[in-house]
Amino acid sequence: SQTIHQWPATLVQPVGSPLSLECTVEGTSNPNLYWYRQAAGRGLQLLFYSVGIGQISSEVPQNLSASRPQDRQFILSSKKLLLSDSGFYLCAWVDRQVMNTEAFFGQGTRLTVV
Amino acid sequence: SQQGEEDPQALSIQEGENATMNCSYKTSINNLQWYRQNSGRGLVHLILIRSNEREKHSGRLRVTLDTSKKSSSLLITASRAADTASYFCARGGNQFYFGTGTSLTVIP
Repeated sequence: SQTIHQWPATLVQPVGSPLSLECTVEGTSNPNLYWYRQAAGRGLQLLFYSVGIGQISSEVPQNLSASRPQDRQFILSSKKLLLSDSGFYLCAWVDRQVMNTEAFFGQGTRLTVV
Repeated sequence: SQQGEEDPQALSIQEGENATMNCSYKTSINNLQWYRQNSGRGLVHLILIRSNEREKHSGRLRVTLDTSKKSSSLLITASRAADTASYFCARGGNQFYFGTGTSLTVIP
Protein backbone atom coordinates (compact mmCIF):
# COMPACT_ATOMS: atom_id res chain seq x y z
CA SER A 1 0.00 0.00 0.00
CA GLN A 2 1.03 3.58 -0.52
CA THR A 3 2.17 5.79 2.32
CA ILE A 4 3.44 9.32 2.63
CA HIS A 5 5.92 10.47 5.24
CA GLN A 6 6.46 14.07 6.18
CA TRP A 7 8.82 15.34 8.83
CA PRO A 8 9.39 16.91 11.21
CA ALA A 9 5.94 17.25 12.78
CA THR A 10 6.80 20.51 14.49
CA LEU A 11 9.62 22.96 14.03
CA VAL A 12 10.59 26.23 15.69
CA GLN A 13 13.17 28.22 13.79
CA PRO A 14 14.62 31.71 14.25
CA VAL A 15 14.18 34.39 11.63
CA GLY A 16 16.95 34.24 9.07
CA SER A 17 17.69 30.56 9.56
CA PRO A 18 17.45 28.01 6.72
CA LEU A 19 14.64 25.51 6.30
CA SER A 20 14.39 22.04 4.87
CA LEU A 21 11.20 20.00 5.05
CA GLU A 22 11.15 16.57 3.51
CA CYS A 23 8.35 14.47 2.11
CA THR A 24 8.66 10.94 0.79
CA VAL A 25 6.13 8.62 -0.77
CA GLU A 26 6.26 4.85 -0.71
CA GLY A 27 4.42 2.24 -2.71
CA THR A 28 3.91 4.20 -5.90
CA SER A 29 6.00 5.49 -8.74
CA ASN A 30 5.99 8.72 -10.71
CA PRO A 31 3.47 10.52 -8.52
CA ASN A 32 2.49 14.15 -8.77
CA LEU A 33 3.74 15.84 -5.60
CA TYR A 34 2.48 18.98 -3.90
CA TRP A 35 3.44 21.40 -1.12
CA TYR A 36 0.70 23.43 0.54
CA ARG A 37 0.77 26.02 3.31
CA GLN A 38 -2.12 26.63 5.64
CA ALA A 39 -2.30 29.68 7.88
CA ALA A 40 -4.19 29.31 11.15
CA GLY A 41 -7.89 28.84 10.50
CA ARG A 42 -7.47 29.32 6.77
CA GLY A 43 -7.58 27.34 3.57
CA LEU A 44 -4.74 25.58 1.77
CA GLN A 45 -2.48 27.60 -0.46
CA LEU A 46 -0.75 25.62 -3.18
CA LEU A 47 2.94 26.52 -3.10
CA PHE A 48 4.59 24.07 -5.49
CA TYR A 49 3.73 21.02 -7.50
CA SER A 50 5.85 18.57 -9.42
CA VAL A 51 4.98 16.13 -12.17
CA GLY A 52 8.43 14.54 -12.31
CA ILE A 53 12.04 14.58 -11.14
CA GLY A 54 13.47 18.06 -11.39
CA GLN A 55 10.16 19.50 -12.63
CA ILE A 56 8.86 22.12 -10.22
CA SER A 57 6.05 24.58 -10.77
CA SER A 58 5.69 27.50 -8.40
CA GLU A 59 2.27 28.95 -7.74
CA VAL A 60 3.07 31.90 -5.51
CA PRO A 61 6.14 34.15 -5.44
CA GLN A 62 7.71 33.74 -2.05
CA ASN A 63 10.69 33.09 0.11
CA LEU A 64 10.54 29.34 -0.46
CA SER A 65 11.79 26.89 -3.06
CA ALA A 66 11.14 23.24 -3.78
CA SER A 67 13.16 20.42 -5.26
CA ARG A 68 12.48 16.86 -6.35
CA PRO A 69 15.82 15.05 -6.40
CA GLN A 70 14.22 11.62 -6.61
CA ASP A 71 10.92 10.33 -7.96
CA ARG A 72 9.34 9.94 -4.54
CA GLN A 73 11.07 12.72 -2.62
CA PHE A 74 9.92 16.32 -2.44
CA ILE A 75 11.79 18.94 -0.43
CA LEU A 76 10.68 22.41 0.63
CA SER A 77 13.48 24.84 1.43
CA SER A 78 14.30 28.36 2.38
CA LYS A 79 17.67 30.06 2.69
CA LYS A 80 16.44 32.64 5.21
CA LEU A 81 13.13 32.27 7.01
CA LEU A 82 10.77 35.19 7.56
CA LEU A 83 8.17 35.55 10.29
CA SER A 84 5.52 35.30 7.59
CA ASP A 85 6.73 31.79 6.69
CA SER A 86 5.11 30.46 9.85
CA GLY A 87 2.28 28.05 9.16
CA PHE A 88 1.20 24.47 8.68
CA TYR A 89 2.91 22.84 5.71
CA LEU A 90 1.34 19.87 4.02
CA CYS A 91 2.74 17.52 1.43
CA ALA A 92 0.46 15.51 -0.83
CA TRP A 93 0.68 13.08 -3.72
CA VAL A 94 -1.56 12.00 -6.55
CA ASP A 95 -1.25 8.94 -8.76
CA ARG A 96 -0.87 10.57 -12.15
CA GLN A 97 -1.51 7.27 -13.90
CA VAL A 98 -5.13 7.30 -12.74
CA MET A 99 -7.76 9.69 -14.04
CA ASN A 100 -10.09 11.34 -11.54
CA THR A 101 -8.25 10.25 -8.45
CA GLU A 102 -7.78 11.71 -5.01
CA ALA A 103 -4.87 13.35 -3.26
CA PHE A 104 -3.22 11.71 -0.25
CA PHE A 105 -1.79 13.96 2.44
CA GLY A 106 0.98 13.72 4.96
CA GLN A 107 0.35 14.69 8.56
CA GLY A 108 1.90 18.10 8.14
CA THR A 109 4.69 20.16 9.68
CA ARG A 110 3.82 23.05 11.94
CA LEU A 111 6.51 25.67 11.46
CA THR A 112 6.87 28.57 13.86
CA VAL A 113 9.38 31.24 12.94
CA VAL A 114 10.43 33.27 15.97
CA SER B 1 -8.40 31.47 -2.58
CA GLN B 2 -6.59 30.18 -5.62
CA GLN B 3 -9.57 28.45 -7.09
CA GLY B 4 -12.67 28.42 -4.96
CA GLU B 5 -14.64 29.38 -1.93
CA GLU B 6 -16.71 27.47 0.53
CA ASP B 7 -19.60 28.84 2.50
CA PRO B 8 -20.43 29.20 5.20
CA GLN B 9 -17.00 29.74 6.72
CA ALA B 10 -18.27 28.29 9.98
CA LEU B 11 -21.28 26.18 10.86
CA SER B 12 -22.51 25.04 14.26
CA ILE B 13 -25.32 22.49 14.56
CA GLN B 14 -26.79 20.08 17.06
CA GLU B 15 -26.02 16.39 16.83
CA GLY B 16 -28.55 14.64 14.62
CA GLU B 17 -29.13 17.66 12.38
CA ASN B 18 -28.00 17.85 8.78
CA ALA B 19 -25.06 20.01 7.71
CA THR B 20 -24.81 21.58 4.27
CA MET B 21 -21.68 23.19 2.89
CA ASN B 22 -21.32 24.87 -0.46
CA CYS B 23 -18.38 25.29 -2.78
CA SER B 24 -17.94 27.57 -5.75
CA TYR B 25 -15.10 27.33 -8.23
CA LYS B 26 -13.82 29.47 -11.03
CA THR B 27 -12.70 27.32 -13.93
CA SER B 28 -13.82 24.16 -15.71
CA ILE B 29 -13.21 20.90 -13.91
CA ASN B 30 -12.68 17.21 -14.55
CA ASN B 31 -13.84 16.43 -11.05
CA LEU B 32 -14.66 18.08 -7.76
CA GLN B 33 -13.53 16.53 -4.52
CA TRP B 34 -14.35 16.99 -0.85
CA TYR B 35 -11.87 16.53 2.00
CA ARG B 36 -12.04 16.60 5.75
CA GLN B 37 -9.38 17.96 8.11
CA ASN B 38 -9.32 17.35 11.82
CA SER B 39 -7.58 20.06 13.78
CA GLY B 40 -3.84 20.12 13.13
CA ARG B 41 -3.85 17.08 10.88
CA GLY B 42 -3.57 16.26 7.20
CA LEU B 43 -6.58 16.14 4.91
CA VAL B 44 -8.55 12.98 4.27
CA HIS B 45 -10.45 12.38 1.05
CA LEU B 46 -14.20 11.96 1.44
CA ILE B 47 -15.80 11.81 -1.97
CA LEU B 48 -15.14 12.62 -5.64
CA ILE B 49 -17.74 13.65 -8.18
CA ARG B 50 -16.92 13.74 -11.89
CA SER B 51 -17.91 16.63 -14.09
CA ASN B 52 -20.53 14.51 -15.87
CA GLU B 53 -22.19 13.49 -12.62
CA ARG B 54 -24.84 15.52 -10.80
CA GLU B 55 -25.14 13.70 -7.51
CA LYS B 56 -23.21 11.13 -5.56
CA HIS B 57 -23.74 9.37 -2.24
CA SER B 58 -21.38 7.75 0.21
CA GLY B 59 -22.81 6.66 3.55
CA ARG B 60 -24.13 9.81 5.26
CA LEU B 61 -22.54 12.05 2.63
CA ARG B 62 -24.33 13.43 -0.39
CA VAL B 63 -22.57 15.60 -2.93
CA THR B 64 -24.17 17.53 -5.75
CA LEU B 65 -22.50 19.27 -8.66
CA ASP B 66 -23.86 22.01 -10.91
CA THR B 67 -21.29 22.73 -13.59
CA SER B 68 -23.41 25.49 -15.12
CA LYS B 69 -23.20 27.41 -11.85
CA LYS B 70 -19.70 26.17 -11.04
CA SER B 71 -20.85 25.04 -7.64
CA SER B 72 -21.05 21.95 -5.47
CA SER B 73 -22.60 21.13 -2.13
CA LEU B 74 -21.79 18.58 0.54
CA LEU B 75 -24.58 17.36 2.78
CA ILE B 76 -23.82 15.40 5.93
CA THR B 77 -26.95 13.78 7.27
CA ALA B 78 -27.65 12.86 10.89
CA SER B 79 -24.48 14.59 12.08
CA ARG B 80 -22.41 13.28 14.95
CA ALA B 81 -20.00 15.00 17.31
CA ALA B 82 -17.20 13.12 15.53
CA ASP B 83 -18.05 15.00 12.32
CA THR B 84 -16.59 18.14 13.88
CA ALA B 85 -13.81 19.17 11.51
CA SER B 86 -13.01 21.49 8.62
CA TYR B 87 -14.28 20.53 5.19
CA PHE B 88 -12.69 21.59 1.92
CA CYS B 89 -13.58 21.23 -1.70
CA ALA B 90 -10.86 20.78 -4.30
CA ARG B 91 -10.66 20.92 -8.03
CA GLY B 92 -8.82 17.82 -9.19
CA GLY B 93 -6.13 18.13 -11.81
CA ASN B 94 -2.41 18.78 -12.02
CA GLN B 95 -2.65 21.76 -9.70
CA PHE B 96 -5.20 20.46 -7.14
CA TYR B 97 -6.53 23.73 -5.77
CA PHE B 98 -8.49 23.83 -2.53
CA GLY B 99 -11.18 26.18 -1.34
CA THR B 100 -11.18 28.19 1.85
CA GLY B 101 -12.99 25.57 3.92
CA THR B 102 -15.99 25.33 6.23
CA SER B 103 -15.42 24.76 9.91
CA LEU B 104 -18.16 22.46 11.19
CA THR B 105 -18.93 22.09 14.88
CA VAL B 106 -21.43 19.44 15.90
CA ILE B 107 -22.69 19.96 19.44
CA PRO B 108 -23.50 16.76 21.35
